[in-house]
Amino acid sequence: SAVISQKPSRDICQRGTSLTIQCQVDSQVTMMFWYRQQPGQSLTLIATANQGSEATYESGFVIDKFPISRPNLTFSTLTVSNMSPEDSSIYLCSGGGHEQFFGPGTRLTVL
Amino acid sequence: KQEVTQIPAALSVPEGENLVLNCSFTDSAIYNLQWFRQDPGKGLTSLLLIQSSQREQTSGRLNASLDKSSGRSTLYIAASQPGDSATYLCAVNNNAGNMLTFGGGTRLMVKP
Repeated sequence: SAVISQKPSRDICQRGTSLTIQCQVDSQVTMMFWYRQQPGQSLTLIATANQGSEATYESGFVIDKFPISRPNLTFSTLTVSNMSPEDSSIYLCSGGGHEQFFGPGTRLTVL
Repeated sequence: KQEVTQIPAALSVPEGENLVLNCSFTDSAIYNLQWFRQDPGKGLTSLLLIQSSQREQTSGRLNASLDKSSGRSTLYIAASQPGDSATYLCAVNNNAGNMLTFGGGTRLMVKP
């Protein structure tokens, strides 16, 4: 199994600003993913964080809005840029092998 | 495109009941299926992973079955307890890339 931590756990941000969320895994994993969970909804995949190359984004998500870094096999960051109230969500990272493990999430509120 | 549906969306039962949560998916060419639990405001806890070649997996009071050909999985919870109250999410992995497609979840409340 993998233990995943995220920072910050929550934040309240002003419109137009950016927030970077960190995700740390306690072991090396090939694949890391970022998901968004909007209020009352299920999880939607934002992108796959690839080590050594650009992230792979799902339809509806773009690099300019959600830049991702993956400097090594245990760490990734997601930035939510130029935020609006519609970005208020829980952002979760996951990693692992065939069994995926999730971090505790970052609850973002944009005013 | 894979679509995952969970029924019911919400369920309230008295303590001690056995219950079944349902998950269906449109593309049967899956690699594996995973059941998660999510407590309010928290992340996801992995409950059970079923590989495409398996029919079921068990962990304590939980039993998950998989019928790949019909695109269905069920999560059986025996002798439910108030501590089982949470949202249960079904997620499908369509390839070895391990990205998951989630159902909408079943919100379970077990009353003492």
